[in-house]
Amino acid sequence: GENVEQHPSTLSVQEGDSAVIKCTYSDSASNYFPWYKQELGKRPQLIIDIRSNVGEKKDQRIAVTLNKTAKHFSLHITETQPEDSAVYFCAALDTGRRALTFGSGTRLQVQP
Amino acid sequence: GAGVSQSPRYKVAKRGQDVALRCDPISGHVSLFWYQQALGQGPEFLTYFQNEAQLDKSGLPSDRFFAERPEGSVSTLKIQRTQQEDSAVYLCASSPTGHGYNEQFFGPGTRLTVL
Repeated sequence: GENVEQHPSTLSVQEGDSAVIKCTYSDSASNYFPWYKQELGKRPQLIIDIRSNVGEKKDQRIAVTLNKTAKHFSLHITETQPEDSAVYFCAALDTGRRALTFGSGTRLQVQP
Repeated sequence: GAGVSQSPRYKVAKRGQDVALRCDPISGHVSLFWYQQALGQGPEFLTYFQNEAQLDKSGLPSDRFFAERPEGSVSTLKIQRTQQEDSAVYLCASSPTGHGYNEQFFGPGTRLTVL
Protein backbone atom coordinates (compact mmCIF):
# COMPACT_ATOMS: atom_id res chain seq x y z
CA GLY A 1 0.00 0.00 0.00
CA GLU A 2 0.81 3.67 -0.10
CA ASN A 3 3.05 5.35 2.50
CA VAL A 4 3.24 9.15 2.84
CA GLU A 5 5.88 11.00 4.84
CA GLN A 6 5.52 14.69 5.72
CA HIS A 7 8.00 17.27 6.98
CA PRO A 8 8.39 19.33 9.05
CA SER A 9 6.06 18.35 11.88
CA THR A 10 5.97 21.94 13.15
CA LEU A 11 6.69 25.20 11.39
CA SER A 12 6.69 28.70 12.82
CA VAL A 13 6.93 31.73 10.53
CA GLN A 14 6.47 35.46 10.83
CA GLU A 15 3.40 37.01 9.25
CA GLY A 16 4.15 37.84 5.62
CA ASP A 17 6.83 35.16 5.23
CA SER A 18 6.46 32.06 3.08
CA ALA A 19 5.90 28.52 4.38
CA VAL A 20 6.84 25.29 2.62
CA ILE A 21 5.71 21.79 3.60
CA LYS A 22 7.11 18.71 1.86
CA CYS A 23 5.77 15.20 1.37
CA THR A 24 7.05 12.03 -0.21
CA TYR A 25 5.04 9.01 -1.29
CA SER A 26 5.93 5.43 -2.06
CA ASP A 27 3.48 4.16 -4.69
CA SER A 28 4.46 5.30 -8.18
CA ALA A 29 0.91 4.51 -9.35
CA SER A 30 -0.58 7.26 -7.16
CA ASN A 31 -1.90 10.12 -9.27
CA TYR A 32 -3.97 12.40 -7.06
CA PHE A 33 -2.49 14.50 -4.25
CA PRO A 34 -4.73 16.74 -2.12
CA TRP A 35 -3.78 19.03 0.75
CA TYR A 36 -6.12 19.50 3.70
CA LYS A 37 -6.18 22.18 6.39
CA GLN A 38 -7.51 21.24 9.80
CA GLU A 39 -8.12 23.82 12.49
CA LEU A 40 -8.28 22.68 16.09
CA GLY A 41 -11.41 20.59 16.69
CA LYS A 42 -12.66 21.11 13.15
CA ARG A 43 -13.03 18.91 10.08
CA PRO A 44 -10.25 18.65 7.47
CA GLN A 45 -10.95 20.95 4.53
CA LEU A 46 -9.42 20.72 1.08
CA ILE A 47 -7.28 23.73 0.18
CA ILE A 48 -5.70 22.58 -3.07
CA ASP A 49 -5.10 19.37 -5.00
CA ILE A 50 -3.00 18.27 -7.94
CA ARG A 51 -3.21 15.42 -10.40
CA SER A 52 -0.19 13.74 -11.86
CA ASN A 53 -0.65 15.15 -15.34
CA VAL A 54 0.49 18.58 -14.11
CA GLY A 55 3.62 19.68 -12.27
CA GLU A 56 2.35 22.77 -10.54
CA LYS A 57 -0.95 24.37 -9.55
CA LYS A 58 -1.59 27.73 -7.96
CA ASP A 59 -4.57 29.29 -6.23
CA GLN A 60 -3.94 32.82 -4.96
CA ARG A 61 -1.40 32.52 -2.11
CA ILE A 62 -1.26 28.72 -2.23
CA ALA A 63 0.66 26.57 -4.69
CA VAL A 64 1.49 22.89 -4.94
CA THR A 65 4.32 21.33 -6.93
CA LEU A 66 4.66 17.68 -7.89
CA ASN A 67 7.76 15.77 -8.95
CA LYS A 68 6.59 12.32 -10.06
CA THR A 69 10.09 11.07 -10.79
CA ALA A 70 11.25 11.78 -7.26
CA LYS A 71 7.81 10.97 -5.78
CA HIS A 72 7.51 14.13 -3.80
CA PHE A 73 5.15 17.07 -3.66
CA SER A 74 5.18 20.33 -1.75
CA LEU A 75 2.79 22.99 -0.49
CA HIS A 76 3.84 26.62 -0.70
CA ILE A 77 1.99 29.38 1.14
CA THR A 78 3.12 32.94 0.42
CA GLU A 79 2.39 36.11 2.40
CA THR A 80 1.28 34.06 5.40
CA GLN A 81 -1.41 35.44 7.69
CA PRO A 82 -2.34 34.51 11.28
CA GLU A 83 -5.49 32.77 9.99
CA ASP A 84 -3.25 30.35 8.09
CA SER A 85 -2.29 28.86 11.47
CA ALA A 86 -3.57 25.25 11.49
CA VAL A 87 -2.46 21.69 10.90
CA TYR A 88 -1.87 20.85 7.24
CA PHE A 89 -2.05 17.30 5.90
CA CYS A 90 -0.81 16.05 2.57
CA ALA A 91 -2.34 12.92 1.10
CA ALA A 92 -1.99 10.55 -1.82
CA LEU A 93 -4.73 8.51 -3.41
CA ASP A 94 -4.16 4.81 -2.94
CA THR A 95 -5.43 3.70 -6.32
CA GLY A 96 -6.06 0.20 -5.08
CA ARG A 97 -8.25 1.31 -2.19
CA ARG A 98 -9.62 4.52 -3.73
CA ALA A 99 -8.98 5.99 -0.27
CA LEU A 100 -6.50 8.63 0.80
CA THR A 101 -3.28 7.89 2.66
CA PHE A 102 -2.41 10.91 4.80
CA GLY A 103 0.87 12.27 6.06
CA SER A 104 1.33 12.85 9.77
CA GLY A 105 0.62 16.57 9.54
CA THR A 106 2.45 19.88 9.92
CA ARG A 107 1.42 22.34 12.60
CA LEU A 108 1.91 25.80 11.09
CA GLN A 109 2.00 28.77 13.39
CA VAL A 110 2.06 32.26 11.89
CA GLN A 111 3.31 34.83 14.36
CA PRO A 112 1.70 38.28 13.99
CA GLY B 1 -26.36 22.90 0.75
CA ALA B 2 -25.74 20.73 3.77
CA GLY B 3 -22.35 19.19 4.19
CA VAL B 4 -21.44 15.85 5.72
CA SER B 5 -22.86 15.47 9.21
CA GLN B 6 -21.98 13.01 11.95
CA SER B 7 -23.59 12.08 15.22
CA PRO B 8 -23.00 12.03 18.05
CA ARG B 9 -20.20 14.60 18.09
CA TYR B 10 -18.86 13.22 21.35
CA LYS B 11 -19.26 9.78 22.85
CA VAL B 12 -17.93 8.46 26.14
CA ALA B 13 -18.13 4.71 26.59
CA LYS B 14 -17.06 2.37 29.33
CA ARG B 15 -14.66 -0.35 28.24
CA GLY B 16 -16.66 -3.26 26.92
CA GLN B 17 -19.65 -1.25 25.74
CA ASP B 18 -20.86 -1.24 22.15
CA VAL B 19 -21.12 2.07 20.27
CA ALA B 20 -22.70 3.15 16.98
CA LEU B 21 -21.52 6.20 15.06
CA ARG B 22 -23.64 7.72 12.32
CA CYS B 23 -22.65 9.50 9.12
CA ASP B 24 -24.98 11.46 6.82
CA PRO B 25 -23.08 12.10 3.58
CA ILE B 26 -23.83 14.82 1.06
CA SER B 27 -26.96 13.82 -0.85
CA GLY B 28 -26.18 11.94 -4.04
CA HIS B 29 -22.56 11.21 -3.20
CA VAL B 30 -21.54 7.77 -4.41
CA SER B 31 -18.48 7.15 -2.26
CA LEU B 32 -18.33 7.10 1.51
CA PHE B 33 -15.21 6.61 3.60
CA TRP B 34 -14.54 6.11 7.30
CA TYR B 35 -11.23 7.22 8.79
CA GLN B 36 -9.82 7.03 12.32
CA GLN B 37 -7.75 9.98 13.54
CA ALA B 38 -5.65 9.53 16.66
CA LEU B 39 -4.54 12.60 18.57
CA GLY B 40 -1.82 14.47 16.69
CA GLN B 41 -1.94 12.13 13.68
CA GLY B 42 -3.36 12.13 10.20
CA PRO B 43 -6.59 10.29 9.41
CA GLU B 44 -6.17 6.57 8.74
CA PHE B 45 -8.41 4.67 6.36
CA LEU B 46 -10.90 2.20 7.84
CA THR B 47 -13.40 1.29 5.14
CA TYR B 48 -14.94 2.40 1.84
CA PHE B 49 -18.43 2.13 0.34
CA GLN B 50 -19.53 2.72 -3.21
CA ASN B 51 -23.29 3.19 -2.89
CA GLU B 52 -24.40 0.32 -0.63
CA ALA B 53 -21.48 -1.97 -1.47
CA GLN B 54 -18.59 -2.15 0.96
CA LEU B 55 -15.70 -2.45 -1.47
CA ASP B 56 -12.85 -2.28 1.00
CA LYS B 57 -12.72 -2.97 4.72
CA SER B 58 -9.02 -3.70 4.93
CA GLY B 59 -8.38 -0.81 7.34
CA LEU B 60 -10.73 -2.02 10.07
CA PRO B 61 -8.42 -2.81 13.00
CA SER B 62 -10.30 -5.85 14.29
CA ASP B 63 -13.48 -7.86 13.90
CA ARG B 64 -15.00 -5.70 16.63
CA PHE B 65 -15.42 -2.99 13.98
CA PHE B 66 -18.33 -3.23 11.57
CA ALA B 67 -19.71 -0.71 9.07
CA GLU B 68 -22.80 -0.64 6.90
CA ARG B 69 -24.57 1.60 4.39
CA PRO B 70 -27.68 -0.41 3.59
CA GLU B 71 -29.48 2.06 1.31
CA GLY B 72 -26.46 3.76 -0.17
CA SER B 73 -26.82 6.95 1.86
CA VAL B 74 -26.51 7.01 5.66
CA SER B 75 -23.72 4.88 7.10
CA THR B 76 -23.14 3.50 10.58
CA LEU B 77 -19.82 2.44 12.09
CA LYS B 78 -20.29 0.06 14.98
CA ILE B 79 -17.62 -0.87 17.49
CA GLN B 80 -18.31 -3.81 19.76
CA ARG B 81 -16.73 -4.37 23.18
CA THR B 82 -14.85 -1.05 23.05
CA GLN B 83 -11.26 -0.92 24.25
CA GLN B 84 -9.20 2.06 25.40
CA GLU B 85 -7.16 1.94 22.20
CA ASP B 86 -10.35 2.67 20.25
CA SER B 87 -10.33 6.22 21.64
CA ALA B 88 -9.95 8.54 18.65
CA VAL B 89 -11.88 10.85 16.36
CA TYR B 90 -13.83 8.92 13.73
CA LEU B 91 -14.20 10.90 10.51
CA CYS B 92 -16.61 10.19 7.70
CA ALA B 93 -16.04 11.58 4.21
CA SER B 94 -18.08 11.45 1.02
CA SER B 95 -17.22 12.03 -2.61
CA PRO B 96 -19.49 12.51 -5.63
CA THR B 97 -18.02 9.77 -7.81
CA GLY B 98 -16.65 6.28 -7.46
CA HIS B 99 -13.25 6.76 -9.03
CA GLY B 100 -11.51 8.53 -6.16
CA TYR B 101 -10.07 11.51 -8.02
CA ASN B 102 -12.48 13.99 -6.52
CA GLU B 103 -12.44 16.01 -3.33
CA GLN B 104 -13.46 14.05 -0.28
CA PHE B 105 -15.75 16.16 1.91
CA PHE B 106 -15.26 15.44 5.59
CA GLY B 107 -17.73 15.51 8.41
CA PRO B 108 -16.90 17.10 11.78
CA GLY B 109 -16.09 13.72 13.30
CA THR B 110 -17.17 11.83 16.39
CA ARG B 111 -14.73 11.98 19.29
CA LEU B 112 -14.89 8.62 21.06
CA THR B 113 -13.41 8.31 24.53
CA VAL B 114 -13.29 4.85 26.08
CA LEU B 115 -12.78 4.82 29.83
